[in-house]
Amino acid sequence: GAVVSQHPSWVICKSGTSVKIECRSLDFQATTMFWYRQFPKQSLMLMATSNEGSKATYEQGVEKDKFLINHASLTLSTLTVTSAHPEDSSFYICSATTSGLFTGELFFGEGSRLTVL
Amino acid sequence: DAKTTQPNSMESNEEEPVHLPCNHSTISGTDYIHWYRQLPSQGPEYVIHGLTSNVNNRMASLAIAEDRKSSTLILHRATLRDAAVYYCILMRGGSNYKLTFGKGTLLTVNP
Repeated sequence: GAVVSQHPSWVICKSGTSVKIECRSLDFQATTMFWYRQFPKQSLMLMATSNEGSKATYEQGVEKDKFLINHASLTLSTLTVTSAHPEDSSFYICSATTSGLFTGELFFGEGSRLTVL
Repeated sequence: DAKTTQPNSMESNEEEPVHLPCNHSTISGTDYIHWYRQLPSQGPEYVIHGLTSNVNNRMASLAIAEDRKSSTLILHRATLRDAAVYYCILMRGGSNYKLTFGKGTLLTVNP
């Protein structure tokens, strides 16, 4: 089946620094990618939807200047957490789909665990 | 978006069938019923989806009530690897495939 890969799997950074997380679709062209955040023992919360070549659409309450999303190609989307603080520590998960061959299944990455010290 | 209601947790024994219920009384005619599961420290994994008819695949079966206000995910023989949080999610047909996750059901499988 289709594979979505995230990198890095985990990252530790100092407060005030920026961190970039990559999401790649390995064997299909992802026209749409989604970014989620998950705090411990909570459900996934959708942060934004990105379509290749256009600006991301952010969910209410998500700061677009803090969570920069770029979807410059059909196989890569990046999430940059700018000026990270301890409260940004979370599990970040991407998912991807292609509008041309949607079979009802969305493909998720393995997740990236961010710890901000 | 139409909401779903699931029990917070369920427990089963290995090699026994598991029936995971989901209520979605405000479902609309174009909403598909999707099930995903999430193992600890991993991204969600697709399980199954359906619209009106019952569905079977290699992982599970999905039984959909005639009025579509509820559905049941059936794992025919639970294994320890099936221990996960199971999410029942409605996705509107023709939408941009956005999934809104609820709290899901934490399934514990006893050896």
